[in-house]
Amino acid sequence: KQEVTQIPAALSVPEGENLVLNCSFTDSAIYNLQWFRQDPGKGLTSLLLIQSSQREQTSGRLNASLDKSSGRSTLYIAASQPGDSATYLCAVRDNYGQNFVFGPGTRLSVLP
Amino acid sequence: DGGITQSPKYLFRKEGQNVTLSCEQNLNHDAMYWYRQDPGQGLRLIYYSQIVNDFQKGDIAEGYSVSREKKESFPLTVTSAQKNPTAFYLCASTDTDGQGLAEAFFGQGTRLTVV
Repeated sequence: KQEVTQIPAALSVPEGENLVLNCSFTDSAIYNLQWFRQDPGKGLTSLLLIQSSQREQTSGRLNASLDKSSGRSTLYIAASQPGDSATYLCAVRDNYGQNFVFGPGTRLSVLP
Repeated sequence: DGGITQSPKYLFRKEGQNVTLSCEQNLNHDAMYWYRQDPGQGLRLIYYSQIVNDFQKGDIAEGYSVSREKKESFPLTVTSAQKNPTAFYLCASTDTDGQGLAEAFFGQGTRLTVV
């Protein structure tokens, strides 16, 4: 059964720092991997989607990488801002393309 | 303006009462999902539907029921059999167009509280 973990569980950094969030999964037979952002009391906002055949995706200050063989993905946030404060979740979709398995999330605080 | 709409945003349920959470999407997606989120825990799958008039149980389906009579709509009923329904409920949809994108989009959630 696929399991997804995220490290660290929480992170606090000063504004302007570059940072990396980690996501690990146990079964490398994935269809895709998606990073989301969740603000308190809100739904999930899609940030980046990486197909199983891709190595990375970029959107603005965000860059996500995927290493299927080692079961890992990283989300790199450049020049962090207080508005980046949120919980970041990764989710993997299995090769049957039906369900997502979510990690528990990393709670990020960017201090002004 | 395409997206997923969940209503209501807040819902209060009395003991022994059934309540229905609404989820509507105008993205023309075939697949729809219901997740439950509890503090300190990840999202857990309740039910999903790949096509109209068909749905499958997820990991925590007991005490819940769904229907999929229209492509756009996937309502979730929390029955009195669900002993601990207080949680944040999220609805999602994805495309299944064969292009392989299958990007998931989420609604803004419904917070259900038992009073």
